[in-house]
Amino acid sequence: QVQLVESGGGVVQPGGSLRLSCAASGFTFSSYGMHWVRQAPGKGLEWVAFIRYDGSNKYYADSVKGRFTISRDNSKNTLYLQMNSLRAEDTAVYYCAKDKSRDLDYWGQGTLVTVSS
Amino acid sequence: EIVLTQSPATLSLSPGERATLSCRASQSVSSYLAWYQQKPGQAPRLLIYDASNRATGIPARFSGSGSGTDFTLTISSLEPEDFAVYYCQQRSNWPLITFGQGTRLEIK
Repeated sequence: QVQLVESGGGVVQPGGSLRLSCAASGFTFSSYGMHWVRQAPGKGLEWVAFIRYDGSNKYYADSVKGRFTISRDNSKNTLYLQMNSLRAEDTAVYYCAKDKSRDLDYWGQGTLVTVSS
Repeated sequence: EIVLTQSPATLSLSPGERATLSCRASQSVSSYLAWYQQKPGQAPRLLIYDASNRATGIPARFSGSGSGTDFTLTISSLEPEDFAVYYCQQRSNWPLITFGQGTRLEIK
């Protein structure tokens, strides 16, 4: 069965950096695009970024463009999100999700990122 | 940016009743609309894609309809496990994906 397990969340000061990871199993990771989606505490869902199956194209929400970088290592079945210049408004649970024609058919359980001094 | 507006914000119903949730887009999204269910402390789960197709393993009591700007998620007879928050999502404006603000379905 499809499993997505996020890690790397934690508490970071404003302006700091963090790298999230998402370990995938149960499907051919190298054949699917992948997304990051976040959810601020008590709020709705916000799409963050997408990467094609081969890493050739990457797309970002305007709110993170220039600060976050999505990447993947198909040899390790792992997705990444490098987050720089973090702000208080980036505080959220970050989910990785498998792409199904630009819908999101499987999600991990999420990792909490808290940006606070 | 395409804005999705869900209504009502909260829906209070009893098990066995029929639930009708609405999602309206600020411009046409064709049939590129999906629905997700999220229970407290859990990740979202894909229910419906392309407006009316049930995702793998989703019970037949869940159905979706609509096209263009107006969409509906219907739960024909509520089970206790259906009380959750529901989100719609569009992919028409790719690479920008947007979600609605959610409808909370609560037990009356």
